[in-house]
Amino acid sequence: AQKITQTQPGMFVQEKEAVTLDCTYDTSDQSYGLFWYKQPSSGEMIFLIYQGSYDEQNATEGRYSLNFQKARKSANLVISASQLGDSAMYFCAMREVSGNTPLVFGKGTRLSVIA
Amino acid sequence: DSGVTQTPKHLITATGQRVTLRCSPRSGDLSVYWYQQSLDQGLQFLIQYYNGEERAKGNILERFSAQQFPDLHSELNLSSLELGDSALYFCASSETDSTNSPLHFGNGTRLTVT
Repeated sequence: AQKITQTQPGMFVQEKEAVTLDCTYDTSDQSYGLFWYKQPSSGEMIFLIYQGSYDEQNATEGRYSLNFQKARKSANLVISASQLGDSAMYFCAMREVSGNTPLVFGKGTRLSVIA
Repeated sequence: DSGVTQTPKHLITATGQRVTLRCSPRSGDLSVYWYQQSLDQGLQFLIQYYNGEERAKGNILERFSAQQFPDLHSELNLSSLELGDSALYFCASSETDSTNSPLHFGNGTRLTVT
């Protein structure tokens, strides 16, 4: 069963606008971590933001924030004030505590920022 | 720059051959992970080492093997290569093995099998 679902293969956003990238996950663990990574066309994977399952506040890192809704098992990434350099693939990932499971990735969303 | 170094950046080889990919983790990171990224399979976890010992194993083929050395660098060996092994291979490292320790990825090695 797929643990991470990113339903938007591609998204477009106007420069300076905000955009939300969707991520839902599936786990029976109570303790887990959620991550977002950015992969530009150059290929590297860049860590953006982390949210722990017990964190009460939504995580924020600069222009990135994570809209965490535990009951709905969703962890959407919000990028505010989009820039042309934000054009990239974005991956949602989860790591469960039990069973020493690795970081599992979704299939990604390709974001294109338009001038 | 993540601080994780992978060599080589590109590798082109023929079917049936064997290659070794090398990874130096960030200074102070004890855990090393290998991932394979292909268009059809996405990012697939292969194997994890923690302080020299194998910690977790994913969808790693028997033709593939890895190890982490005392200086914490790691190598991924791919043998009897097939066309389908063409992919981007990432190494990542993390400070600890805990759930909240983010993985920091190298720039990857792009393997092309012809």
